[in-house]
Amino acid sequence: QAVVTQEPSLTVSPGGTVTLTCGSSTGAVTSGHYPYWFQQRPGQAPRALIYDTNYKHSWTPGRFSGSLLGGKAALTLSGAQPDDEAEYYCLLYYGGPWVFGGGTKLTVL
Amino acid sequence: EVQLVESGGGLVQPGGSLRLSCAVSGFSFSTYWMNWVRQAPGKGLEWLANINQDGSEKFYVDSVKGRFTTSRDNAKNSLYLEINSLRDEDTAVYYCVKGQMDAWGKGTTVTVSS
Repeated sequence: QAVVTQEPSLTVSPGGTVTLTCGSSTGAVTSGHYPYWFQQRPGQAPRALIYDTNYKHSWTPGRFSGSLLGGKAALTLSGAQPDDEAEYYCLLYYGGPWVFGGGTKLTVL
Repeated sequence: EVQLVESGGGLVQPGGSLRLSCAVSGFSFSTYWMNWVRQAPGKGLEWLANINQDGSEKFYVDSVKGRFTTSRDNAKNSLYLEINSLRDEDTAVYYCVKGQMDAWGKGTTVTVSS
């Protein structure tokens, strides 16, 4: 099955902007992969932030946005807050099965 | 309020079997695909399986095909995951996840050890 790749770790300054990406071993990520993004804090279950590339849930802070960028799915955080320090996972659809990326540990420092 | 509550985890010996359950409330269970996701200690998320609304379609990650079986009982608003031939690497927290991935249970822990 496909392998989904994410940056293992990224650091952003408080108030800064950072983009996390999500690539696929099968080629370019498209809207047909229905990219999802999740946030997971230590000891908690994951929480969905973005679905279908760029749609937000009612609880998704406005500073998060999703897109397709250079053949990958992307999650952009604008105006990072200390509370955003967490692990972030993307999830892609492969015509039946889904595959998670390995996760990006985001540090706000 | 949407709720998903997993149960059935525990300590099991290698080669053993378990049946995990997920009781849901707060949404129309029979109209949604449902998923199972797991997370090994200190590791990332792994999507395992999903099942369509009437149980006629199921998909699995390659690594669990033939050992894991998901099913559902819409009359009981419940989702199940049968796990056979358990291995050390199956040790994880197992999550039940609503079809659009917008609601997760708290998970049930499966520990495989002799």
